[in-house]
Amino acid sequence: DTAVSQTPKYLVTQMGNDKSIKCEQNLGHDTMYWYKQDSKKFLKIMFSYNNKELIINETVPNRFSPKSPDKAHLNLHINSLELGDSAVYFCASSLRGYTGELFFGEGSRLTVL
Amino acid sequence: DAKTTQPPSMDCAEGRAANLPCNHSTISGNEYVYWYRQIHSQGPQYIIHGLKNNETNEMASLIITEDRKSSTLILPHATLRDTAVYYCIVRVADTGNQFYFGTGTSLTVIP
Repeated sequence: DTAVSQTPKYLVTQMGNDKSIKCEQNLGHDTMYWYKQDSKKFLKIMFSYNNKELIINETVPNRFSPKSPDKAHLNLHINSLELGDSAVYFCASSLRGYTGELFFGEGSRLTVL
Repeated sequence: DAKTTQPPSMDCAEGRAANLPCNHSTISGNEYVYWYRQIHSQGPQYIIHGLKNNETNEMASLIITEDRKSSTLILPHATLRDTAVYYCIVRVADTGNQFYFGTGTSLTVIP
């Protein structure tokens, strides 16, 4: 069983399109995140949700809209895709109130042409 | 923002211990030190974390200096599969769980 799973793993699309990446965790965690890793390999947090509520929203264009239908899912929708959105997007989860670790998914590589 | 400083790259001979340093001179008393690694383009993987005592698990050991301003991750017998980027992160537990990753150390294990 995959603990944190993301779909799709690869996504190639044209500028201006709208796309979504889905994330699910089966660890019973209450906090989920989206990270973006650009071509320079810098891993930057974008959003964090705890019990379906947004708790971190870093400086991210409002074309990015996370949605958490329940504690086990955090989806990322991106409107009007731009070339600079090309990156690997990682979903992660953790248990708030515990000092423990983040569990990451395998990443979704988005290429905008 | 990342509050740690790590060397950008290191090499280690296969079978030898890999010692990865991290400076966190502005660490607060309630901040933990975490280590993660990222192998190629996979998702980052948790290695170990500690507050002030040295810690050891099946993957590695974490040595934290008495003043807590620096730490060292030790991979006791490095293998080729340990080639990865290693990230040192400091974080207060339960503050919205932010993990801010820096640029890390790219460790290459040489046969």
